[in-house]
Amino acid sequence: DTGVSQNPRHKITKRGQNVTFRCDPISEHNRLYWYRQTLGQGPEFLTYFQNEAQLEKSRLLSDRFSAERPKGSFSTLEIQRTEQGDSAMYLCASSPTKSDTQYFGPGTRLTVL
Amino acid sequence: QQQVKQSPQSLIVQKGGISIINCAYENTAFDYFPWYQQFPGKGPALLIAIRPDVSEKKEGRFTISFNKSAKQFSLHIMDSQPGDSATYFCAAMPGYSTLTFGKGTMLLVSP
Repeated sequence: DTGVSQNPRHKITKRGQNVTFRCDPISEHNRLYWYRQTLGQGPEFLTYFQNEAQLEKSRLLSDRFSAERPKGSFSTLEIQRTEQGDSAMYLCASSPTKSDTQYFGPGTRLTVL
Repeated sequence: QQQVKQSPQSLIVQKGGISIINCAYENTAFDYFPWYQQFPGKGPALLIAIRPDVSEKKEGRFTISFNKSAKQFSLHIMDSQPGDSATYFCAAMPGYSTLTFGKGTMLLVSP
């Protein structure tokens, strides 16, 4: 399978704990995006990378959120001191540079108790 | 401010019928308009997309109609099938940037 992969697929945590998600983009895709999708809503942009450089962050990305893409390949999204409002599906997408099409992974569903 | 407004929220269509979902946008910088299909527990998958230099694009049973002056675009699914039952999202993007999605339309095609 050469699509975007995300791990874990599901994560249940208690309020106040830290969680980290991983995204492996399609090989040779330079751009990597993180979106958040809550129930009954469309995905909302969080941040994106061009290779290892983080080019844009949404105001939705509070200081409890941090994303990295250290070698320009996989990316991690960490949420510190989780809150119940962080419960959502976290989606990763990738695309080649100068391409419209973003390919989405299956998402990581986070539940904060 | 919701930059992409999508309607209806839900839609029930008989098998063989035409499903129509509409979207409107406000940001004139948007120049790429995709539609994504999402099944429960899965990530969105690109269905069809259009740029504003054309008014219509057709791929199989799926057609996008685009009205630049009205800042509206729509998805038509011809000969709708039960397997088309899913949530559909319109989106818009300025340049090679980030997507702004509508809130989604849950389509149910009855057998």
